[in-house]
Amino acid sequence: AQSVTQLGSHVSVSEGALVLLRCNYSSSVPPYLFWYVQYPNQGLQLLLKYTTGATLVKGINGFEAEFKKSETSFHLTKPSAHMSDAAEYFCAVISYNTDKLIFGTGTRLQVFP
Amino acid sequence: GAGVSQSPRYKVAKRGQDVALRCDPISGHVSLFWYQQALGQGPEFLTYFQNEAQLDKSGLPSDRFFAERPEGSVSTLKIQRTQQEDSAVYLCASSVGGRTTTNEKLFFGSGTQLSVL
Repeated sequence: AQSVTQLGSHVSVSEGALVLLRCNYSSSVPPYLFWYVQYPNQGLQLLLKYTTGATLVKGINGFEAEFKKSETSFHLTKPSAHMSDAAEYFCAVISYNTDKLIFGTGTRLQVFP
Repeated sequence: GAGVSQSPRYKVAKRGQDVALRCDPISGHVSLFWYQQALGQGPEFLTYFQNEAQLDKSGLPSDRFFAERPEGSVSTLKIQRTQQEDSAVYLCASSVGGRTTTNEKLFFGSGTQLSVL
């Protein structure tokens, strides 16, 4: 069975600082991995996803994530935080034969001026 | 509309009451998912439709939960005899194709926040 663990339910950074949101996965088969963002009172939006190929994946709004099989990780990063990045971020995994997204518990990102 | 629409946005129910939550997916989208998001948790899968066929209902927590999509477009999630533990945000999502999230983008609605008193 697939699962993801997000380390840290809350992360606070200053505007302009590096953003690092951690996600580790567990999967017995090659995983497909996703990061979603949820702004207040809005639906989840796909930031980026990894399926196959290049392990460094670039997404929207300057975010990127790197798939590291040796570390079973898929951490989300952004070099310089903006106030508008404040939101809830969810890591998710899916296996190729189930089509079910399995979400982590989420990390709330706060950005201070 | 341009996106996935869910109604009502908020629903307060007394324990034991039946509720119906509506999802209007993006027009033409084949796949439709329902997720339940409890406070402080990530969304959890409830059920999946491909057109009008309910292909997976393994996530429905009890037989009080029932979902339908009779014409392959609008879907309704019904909860009978609501309990306090049913309080959550119920999210609907749709995608264009039948082979969904591995290759296709999933579009989420804003959800219905259900509070059972």
